[in-house]
Amino acid sequence: QVHLVQSGAEVKKPGASVKVSCKASGHTFSYYDINWVRQATGQGLQWMGWMNPNSGNTGYAQKFQGRVTMTRNVSIATSYMELSSLTPDDTAVYYCARRGSRGMDVWGQGTTVIVSS
Amino acid sequence: VMTQSPDSLAVSLGERATINCKSSQSVLYSSDNKNYLAWFQKKPGQPPKLLIYWATTRESGVPDRFSGSGSGTDFTLTISSLQPEDVAVYYCQQYYSPIYSFGQGTKLEIK
Repeated sequence: QVHLVQSGAEVKKPGASVKVSCKASGHTFSYYDINWVRQATGQGLQWMGWMNPNSGNTGYAQKFQGRVTMTRNVSIATSYMELSSLTPDDTAVYYCARRGSRGMDVWGQGTTVIVSS
Repeated sequence: VMTQSPDSLAVSLGERATINCKSSQSVLYSSDNKNYLAWFQKKPGQPPKLLIYWATTRESGVPDRFSGSGSGTDFTLTISSLQPEDVAVYYCQQYYSPIYSFGQGTKLEIK
């Protein structure tokens, strides 16, 4: 069975960075792009970007350009999303999702990130 | 840009619910004649759930009261007979271009 398991909740101060992990199991890690999506409380789903685990190529939403970095460690089938220069507006639940030909068909459980002084 | 309508919707149990989604650009990929448009259901405390992909294909395990239609830039999600467990926010998403934008969401409630 295919799973994406994310790292635990984080509390950060404004200006800090956060790095969220997403470990894949049950499928060939390099075959599927990993996307990151966030949802702030009371807000809609916001796509942040994608990463190809095979090549390491990435594409980021304009809103996050310069602040987000998506990487991977193929040996442990894990993707990472790092967001820097955090503000309270970055308080949200962050999700990773596998993107296949059917779209984003498998999702992680979500990681809550709280940014507060 | 993906634009959904309405923003919220209240429907009686057993009645039909219809949600629309309009893309600013065509999501029809000419080489395979598929529309790269998906619908998700989002409930509090849960990750989004894929309901429909390629605009009209139901994901495995999704009840057949959910159906998708449309092509190019205009799409519709229909729930034929609303059930209590269908209360959620529904999102469309295009996965054609490398910018995989979501609609703003439609909140579906019981009337």
